[in-house]
Amino acid sequence: RKEVEQDPGPFNVPEGATVAFNCTYSNSASQSFFWYRQDCRKEPKLLMSVYSSGNEDGRFTAQLNRASQYISLLIRDSKLSDSATYLCVVKNRGSTLGRLYFGRGTQLTVWP
Amino acid sequence: EAQVTQNPRYLITVTGKKLTVTCSQNMNHEYMSWYRQDPGLGLRQIYYSMNVEVTDKGDVPEGYKVSRKEKRNFPLILESPSPNQTSLYFCASRLAGTDTQYFGPGTRLTVL
Repeated sequence: RKEVEQDPGPFNVPEGATVAFNCTYSNSASQSFFWYRQDCRKEPKLLMSVYSSGNEDGRFTAQLNRASQYISLLIRDSKLSDSATYLCVVKNRGSTLGRLYFGRGTQLTVWP
Repeated sequence: EAQVTQNPRYLITVTGKKLTVTCSQNMNHEYMSWYRQDPGLGLRQIYYSMNVEVTDKGDVPEGYKVSRKEKRNFPLILESPSPNQTSLYFCASRLAGTDTQYFGPGTRLTVL
């Protein structure tokens, strides 16, 4: 079983829509959680960390449910510039050399 | 400017011809990693390094070698490339004790 599972999409939404991505992780000892964004043919970049209490950064809200081993990302009022692939990332407690585990990514296209 | 650089950015080669992809970071990061990204498979870790002279295998190390003789450099070596190593390769680095991973711009390798 993969460490991190994501719905690959694609999600195609109009500008202004609200869209949510989900991610599940297999290791209950996982410690840290993140969402990265990757534009086509570019390198991934950190979008936001995910905290147990949930956190918000402008139009983006991340939630963590440890009991269900589930992470979500909500994007409100989608912009054309939000079109990208969103990667769910997990770091396990005590993982060797601090390895990060990446999901396969969820592709989002926002259309005008 | 703080960054991770990779060279070359694009390479087309033939089976069996040894090649090296260089990776360098100027942020004094301890952790460095190599990933390959293939359609439908996401980012898969090839090798990682915690510090100088400390390296370990990731999930897909077959056919690759690495070295970490200096803190800033982490070259990826393909002794005898094969077509199944055609992929997009990313180098990444991270400061010990932190979670944000910085990626290089990627190297697109084609092995004929």
